[in-house]
Amino acid sequence: DAGVIQSPRHEVTEMGQEVTLRCKPISGHNSLFWYRQTMMRGLELLIYFNNNVPIDDSGMPEDRFSAKMPNASFSTLKIQPSEPRDSAVYFCASSSWGRDITGELFFGEGSRLTVL
Amino acid sequence: AQSVTQLGSHVSVSEGALVLLRCNYSSSVPPYLFWYVQYPNQGLQLLLKYTTGATLVKGINGFEAEFKKSETSFHLTKPSAHMSDAAEYFCAVSELTGGGNKLTFGTGTQLKVEL
Repeated sequence: DAGVIQSPRHEVTEMGQEVTLRCKPISGHNSLFWYRQTMMRGLELLIYFNNNVPIDDSGMPEDRFSAKMPNASFSTLKIQPSEPRDSAVYFCASSSWGRDITGELFFGEGSRLTVL
Repeated sequence: AQSVTQLGSHVSVSEGALVLLRCNYSSSVPPYLFWYVQYPNQGLQLLLKYTTGATLVKGINGFEAEFKKSETSFHLTKPSAHMSDAAEYFCAVSELTGGGNKLTFGTGTQLKVEL
């Protein structure tokens, strides 16, 4: 079975440019999470969705960040405009809320973003 | 709200030695607890999880963890370290919210295995 698929794996961009990160969750999973990982701050939850609806976006750092989930098999995280301090690895994870009561997460390989 | 504390951001052991990574949690309800491992340039993978029942949980790659409610701990152990165990390890607790479950992660412990 395919796991969580993220693209791109690596992105290098210049300050001020728009960045879009993409995620395809595991088929049948109905919860999707976006995390950011940096050396300084560790693993931070940015936002999560249940059944395509955003539930908690309190971790989104600024209005420059936005996330959407137009359907059960696709989500995007957009940064506009990007800044050097946004450089990090962004992870998408999915889970089967309702069928799995534990909340176990399945992670993608991550998207490494570098903003110059 | 639940929280997780991992003692020691870096742990170094010799190959063949015991691995002990510490995790303490706070939770107002019986928790679901997890250990994840992250190898360089990869995502997090589940090592093991505690739900209910037996307090000693066995995971992949010879790791195990024991849930101790009285100590609010969920320490990860492996009897004999291997070079391939070098990675970052994250403890997490599941929090049930109005909109579902979400995991709260500790700050991670980097395990180094030396010859």
